[in-house]
Amino acid sequence: QLQLQESGPGLVRPSETVSLTCTVSGASIKSYNYYWAWIRQPPGKGLEWIGTVYFGGTTNYNLSLRSRVTISVNTSTSQFSLRLSSVTAADTAIYYCARHAWLITTGPFDYWGHGALVTVSS
Amino acid sequence: EIVLTQSPATLSSSPGERATLSCRASQSVSTFLAWYQQKPGQAPRLLIYDASTRATGIPARFSGSGSGTDFTLTISSLEPEDFAVYFCQYRCNWPPLFTFGPGTTVDIK
Repeated sequence: QLQLQESGPGLVRPSETVSLTCTVSGASIKSYNYYWAWIRQPPGKGLEWIGTVYFGGTTNYNLSLRSRVTISVNTSTSQFSLRLSSVTAADTAIYYCARHAWLITTGPFDYWGHGALVTVSS
Repeated sequence: EIVLTQSPATLSSSPGERATLSCRASQSVSTFLAWYQQKPGQAPRLLIYDASTRATGIPARFSGSGSGTDFTLTISSLEPEDFAVYFCQYRCNWPPLFTFGPGTTVDIK
């Protein structure tokens, strides 16, 4: 059974960089059919796709966040990571990692982690 | 950029009733639409993709339909565990963008 688990700091100061890691278990991160994504949800609000990485290193980012986002993958540890720089209170959200069926037309997110709350505050 | 609108914002229903949720796109999205269910404190769960294909393990009471700009998620007979928030999601191929609708809350009447 595929499992994804987010880890990272719960509290970040404004203007700093937040780093989150997602550990994949129960299936190989080196799948030809799936990509790996970060999605966030401000408390009580909707969902926003941040970006996606392929095990080979190819990335795609939401243009609205592109200048501040880096997503990378480490196949030897079955992890992929998110770095978001220059954070503000607007970046306070639950950050989810998810498996992404990129090759299916709709590109659905079929497995999700439990989510990690990141609060931006001084 | 295509915008997804969901209606109603809240649907109050009783167990056993049929629930019909709508997702409308500002431009045609063909059948590039998925539906998710989210319960409080949990991650979203994929229900439907490509407008009408049920994801693995999803009960048959959930069905999706539509194409172009108008889509419907139907729950044929609400079970107690179906009271949750439902989001639709669209894929734009270029530039790559995955957009979610604002959600419909299905609560107990």
